[in-house]
Amino acid sequence: AQSVSQHNHHVILSEAASLELGCNYSYGGTVNLFWYVQYPGQHLQLLLKYFSGDPLVKGIKGFEAEFIKSKFSFNLRKPSVQWSDTAEYFCAVLATGGFKTIFGAGTRLFVKA
Amino acid sequence: KAGVTQTPRYLIKTRGQQVTLSCSPISGHRSVSWYQQTPGQGLQFLFEYFSETQRNKGNFPGRFSGRQFSNSRSEMNVSTLELGDSALYLCASSAIGTSGDTQYFGPGTRLTVL
Repeated sequence: AQSVSQHNHHVILSEAASLELGCNYSYGGTVNLFWYVQYPGQHLQLLLKYFSGDPLVKGIKGFEAEFIKSKFSFNLRKPSVQWSDTAEYFCAVLATGGFKTIFGAGTRLFVKA
Repeated sequence: KAGVTQTPRYLIKTRGQQVTLSCSPISGHRSVSWYQQTPGQGLQFLFEYFSETQRNKGNFPGRFSGRQFSNSRSEMNVSTLELGDSALYLCASSAIGTSGDTQYFGPGTRLTVL
């Protein structure tokens, strides 16, 4: 069965600090990988996704993620966070050709101004 | 293009009752997925529908059911409510529901079971 593990449940950073949120998944086949973000009071929205090709994926608002197949990881990074990045971040995996997206438990990021 | 809409936004029910939640996908989207979101658990997959057919189901008891209509609108039903069913229920729509397709989420229905 597929599963997704997000390493940190809560992260607190100061503005301009670098961010890396860990995500590991468990599945033996090919996958599509996603990071979603939920800003306070807003809907979940897509930050970025990996479908195929270049394992380094760039998303909105300066976020990027790197798919490392050998490590079953899809870590999210941003070189310099802003107060407006305060949100909950979810990693998700969808088996290629499947219809069931599995989400991690989420990481709450708080950025101090 | 209008986003995913969910009704009602808030519901309060008592144990033993049943509830029906509704989701209208983005126009043209044929796949609808339902998730249960609780603090610390993230989003738990309930089921996915495409063209009125359930293609996959999560690990929830049979009290949780759903359906999709010919216009792609979807409903989920929870019978014999339990306290543990209190959660935010999210609906997401996508064009075809697989292979890198992006899901668009609605605002959710907040269900409280007393």
